[in-house]
Amino acid sequence: AQRVTQPEKLLSVFKGAPVELKCNYSYSGSPELFWYVQYSRQRLQLLLRHISRESIKGFTADLNKGETSFHLKKPFAQEEDSAMYYCALMGGAQKLVFGQGTRLTINP
Amino acid sequence: NAGVTQTPKFQVLKTGQSMTLQCAQDMNHEYMSWYRQDPGMGLRLIHYSVGAGITDQGEVPNGYNVSRSTTEDFPLRLLSAAPSQTSVYFCASRSDSRGSTEAFFGQGTRLTVV
Repeated sequence: AQRVTQPEKLLSVFKGAPVELKCNYSYSGSPELFWYVQYSRQRLQLLLRHISRESIKGFTADLNKGETSFHLKKPFAQEEDSAMYYCALMGGAQKLVFGQGTRLTINP
Repeated sequence: NAGVTQTPKFQVLKTGQSMTLQCAQDMNHEYMSWYRQDPGMGLRLIHYSVGAGITDQGEVPNGYNVSRSTTEDFPLRLLSAAPSQTSVYFCASRSDSRGSTEAFFGQGTRLTVV
């Protein structure tokens, strides 16, 4: 079975502070991991994927197979980063499964 | 290019009524999925399809039926609505390409069952 856990439902940080959104997964095979974001009144959209090893809007995420984690990080938070963030895993049978989500609020 | 289109955007049903949530995509994507979004529960997969004529159950399939007669459309049917099905429903599609492909989402359908 494939499972994604985001332990923090809510996360609040001040503008300019570092941000880390945690994501842990459970999957016996080789997973493909993603972070999706939902800004207020917008559709859910892809932020980044582990296979691309990219930085989007200052965010990065590293897949740690030993700890089965895929935490999302940004060194300096901006107010426009306030949104709902979902970690997702694609495993067997091409199923895309999401975590519970973390609502990030950046305080001015 | 419309992407993924869901109708209706809002719906109120009485317990026991039936309805179909529509989802259409114009990107010729093979994979389509339905999710429900509930506070504290995140996005949970209801049903998904890997191509026309092929569907399978996700994490929370009970109370929902799907069919995939064409590549473009993937309707979700509630046969007898229950208050527990009050939620926001999202349809998503993505292509069958090698590597990690992006899922595209509809704008959601907010369903209330009273």
